[in-house]
Amino acid sequence: EAQVTQNPRYLITVTGKKLTVTCSQNMNHEYMSWYRQDPGLGLRQIYYSMNVEVTDKGDVPEGYKVSRKEKRNFPLILESPSPNQTSLYFCASSLSNRVNSPLHFGNGTRLTVT
Amino acid sequence: KQEVTQIPAALSVPEGENLVLNCSFTDSAIYNLQWFRQDPGKGLTSLLLIQSSQREQTSGRLNASLDKSSGRSTLYIAASQPGDSATYLCAASGGKLTFGKGITLSVRP
Repeated sequence: EAQVTQNPRYLITVTGKKLTVTCSQNMNHEYMSWYRQDPGLGLRQIYYSMNVEVTDKGDVPEGYKVSRKEKRNFPLILESPSPNQTSLYFCASSLSNRVNSPLHFGNGTRLTVT
Repeated sequence: KQEVTQIPAALSVPEGENLVLNCSFTDSAIYNLQWFRQDPGKGLTSLLLIQSSQREQTSGRLNASLDKSSGRSTLYIAASQPGDSATYLCAASGGKLTFGKGITLSVRP
């Protein structure tokens, strides 16, 4: 089944403890992206990747890192999480950012930082 | 900078009603306009993608239209059902995808 898989689904951590949220897609998509969703603010893009080894900042990249060493994986790294990073996170992918292909989303990771 | 607006934020209708969800965007230089559905606590599911050269797309009871010149798109849902209750988001793509905040639809039995 074609899908975007995020892990974990739920994560509670403490301030400053490094964490990684994994994202994997099995559709051979070039484009991958991370979003956070907050009440009243909607979906905001954190980072995106046009292809392997190509990543760029979205609207809210501060406090996050990403890497794209393989086409299928696009992990989101929080080196020193803070409470303002408590949010619902989504990974998404599409065939390409330059053609008309729909965006496929993972089921989300709900992160709580205390 | 592209801005996407969806009004109202919430809508409640009785089952069986035909309804229209609105989406407006400020920059008409887009590649496509996408409509998504989000169920509580879940990810977004792509419903329809309208390319900039198209006027509308249809899938089952859903029909989405696009008017670039006026910066508007609509999602028409025919014969609404309680299972259509969800949040519907539109997103305009000019390379970067910009999302509206969504319309939460409740269809009453």
